[in-house]
Amino acid sequence: DAKTTQPTSMDCAEGRAANLPCNHSTISGNEYVYWYRQIHSQGPQYIIHGLKNNETNEMASLIITEDRKSSTLILPHATLRDTAVYYCIVREYYGSSNTGKLIFGQGTTLQVKP
Amino acid sequence: EAGVAQSPRYKIIEKRQSVAFWCNPISGHATLYWYQQILGQGPKLLIQFQNNGVVDDSQLPKDRFSAERLKGVDSTLKIQPAKLEDSAVYLCASSLVGFREQFFGPGTRLTVL
Repeated sequence: DAKTTQPTSMDCAEGRAANLPCNHSTISGNEYVYWYRQIHSQGPQYIIHGLKNNETNEMASLIITEDRKSSTLILPHATLRDTAVYYCIVREYYGSSNTGKLIFGQGTTLQVKP
Repeated sequence: EAGVAQSPRYKIIEKRQSVAFWCNPISGHATLYWYQQILGQGPKLLIQFQNNGVVDDSQLPKDRFSAERLKGVDSTLKIQPAKLEDSAVYLCASSLVGFREQFFGPGTRLTVL
């Protein structure tokens, strides 16, 4: 089962920041937080991942709380093309017995509106 | 670089028939995954290969599903015989060995009538 909880859906105005929350209260020390998104009729696309520090790349920023029990994905200037299902995934580091597989939940459907 | 290729993109069959899907991963990616995505749900891992060996097939319904990855490159996923509940999108993904992002193909949409 997925180890994360996300809102089912969210709306965001075009040009504004989209803040997508994720709860992962049972995360353990060797587990990373990953975000993927899936645009309609396409395969999932990697966005960003982190362990405990905040991370930023050209697509988004990831803010992880100090206790690591929740995180927020931030799309700084949402566009219509960012309309997609966003998946927050807790993934075990591959070096342990788990091979680091992705366990997807239901995700958050983000609708960016003009 | 070229992405993960899958074929066919769409397939319609009747229950109890057989079907096969093909995947060509990104060049150099040793790890290959097959996922099943039922409408309205997130993808579910069916099987993971590293080179041509199976790493995880715990969620693969082995009585009807089979997969192979000969020569550690291309892979095929077969369903025989298909059931109505197998209607889904079958996604193939690949990654470099280890703790790396997975790159997904466009998927094959299977409809079982």
